[in-house]
Amino acid sequence: EPEVTQTPSHQVTQMGQEVILRCVPISNHLYFYWYRQILGQKVEFLVSFYNNEISEKSEIFDDQFSVERPDGSNFTLKIRSTKLEDSAMYFCASTPEVREQYFGPGTRLTVT
Amino acid sequence: DAKTTQPTSMDCAEGRAANLPCNHSTISGNEYVYWYRQIHSQGPQYIIHGLKNNETNEMASLIITEDRKSSTLILPHATLRDTAVYYCIVYAGGTSYGKLTFGQGTILTVHP
Repeated sequence: EPEVTQTPSHQVTQMGQEVILRCVPISNHLYFYWYRQILGQKVEFLVSFYNNEISEKSEIFDDQFSVERPDGSNFTLKIRSTKLEDSAMYFCASTPEVREQYFGPGTRLTVT
Repeated sequence: DAKTTQPTSMDCAEGRAANLPCNHSTISGNEYVYWYRQIHSQGPQYIIHGLKNNETNEMASLIITEDRKSSTLILPHATLRDTAVYYCIVYAGGTSYGKLTFGQGTILTVHP
């Protein structure tokens, strides 16, 4: 059964550094999403992406964040200058149309 | 999207049915009820969804009241692996590019 994959599973970075989190959505899916979950808190929506552009973003998704689908298979989330409060699990999700979403296993980002 | 209310936690004996309630009294006519679960810190997993009619798949059944103001997710024979946080989410799908708003969910603990 096809699944969403994410790399790396764990990323440790220093404050102020740039990080890129990578996701490979399910191949025939058209809608892509990033969510994050700070330890002990709710899963929060960050951004949705369709037809090579952002379709919706949350207040969390400020100028430090960007998304890209560089090659038709990968979907990346870049944080330009990480802050301590960016430490969280980041989940990628995809869906063929706007219905049930399929989530990846997540990347644990630790900012020190 | 309509707000949902779920109990904070529930227990269930292994092998018995787990019935997880959700209130969504402000649901609109075009909004679906979706259920996801999150096992430990893994990515959320889609379970089932419905609009008006009761639904069943290989994982669970979804019972929606006639007035659509509440629903119940039924895991017919709970196993230890069903221990997870269960999220009831209401949203209109195609009108919002699929942004999911997670609440705190119900922590289901299945006991041997």
